[in-house]
Amino acid sequence: QKEVEQNSGPLSVPEGAIASLNCTYSDRGSQSFFWYRQYSGKSPELIMSIYSNGDKEDGRFTAQLNKASQYVSLLIRDSQPSDSATYLCAVSGVKNKLVFGAGTILRVKS
Amino acid sequence: DAGVTQSPTHLIKTRGQQVTLRCSPKSGHDTVSWYQQALGQGPQFIFQYYEEEERQRGNFPDRFSGHQFPNYSSELNVNALLLGDSALYLCASDNGVWVNNEQFFGPGTRLTVL
Repeated sequence: QKEVEQNSGPLSVPEGAIASLNCTYSDRGSQSFFWYRQYSGKSPELIMSIYSNGDKEDGRFTAQLNKASQYVSLLIRDSQPSDSATYLCAVSGVKNKLVFGAGTILRVKS
Repeated sequence: DAGVTQSPTHLIKTRGQQVTLRCSPKSGHDTVSWYQQALGQGPQFIFQYYEEEERQRGNFPDRFSGHQFPNYSSELNVNALLLGDSALYLCASDNGVWVNNEQFFGPGTRLTVL
């Protein structure tokens, strides 16, 4: 079992729709949860961090965490073509070592 | 506010050679982590440096070594290069004092081993 699992996609959504990206993790000791966006040929860019159960909103982005289910999600409202990228889910424990999923490719069609 | 910088941007080496990659952390950060990202995969943790010492290490062979300097910049060295070492090498920095630290990545170094 992989430590962090994501659906590889591609996930295709029309412009203006809500994109929903999901991630599960295996280490119950994980304390910090992150979403990174990575455009083709570029490095990962941090877009959201979440540390406690519930929702965290930042602009068009909402991260959701459920530690009991070991599940993290990212919602992108009013999706734009510029949101087309690979979204990486990462978790870390006490020592702040990031463990990444393989990423979900998102395609927003105009 | 200077972000994380890495050099060089691209590098081409042949099997058996050695390579050194460099990273300067974001202003105010003192911890540097290195990751390897193969095509189509998520980044894999190599090791982390704090106070000039390797604080933790991922599942990478001893051919991968590193160093952190007093100014918090860091180097990643890879000896006896293999074809499988071809990847994007990413450096990330954070303020190592706290547990829930956000790590910020540099632009990466694309290494090609022929």
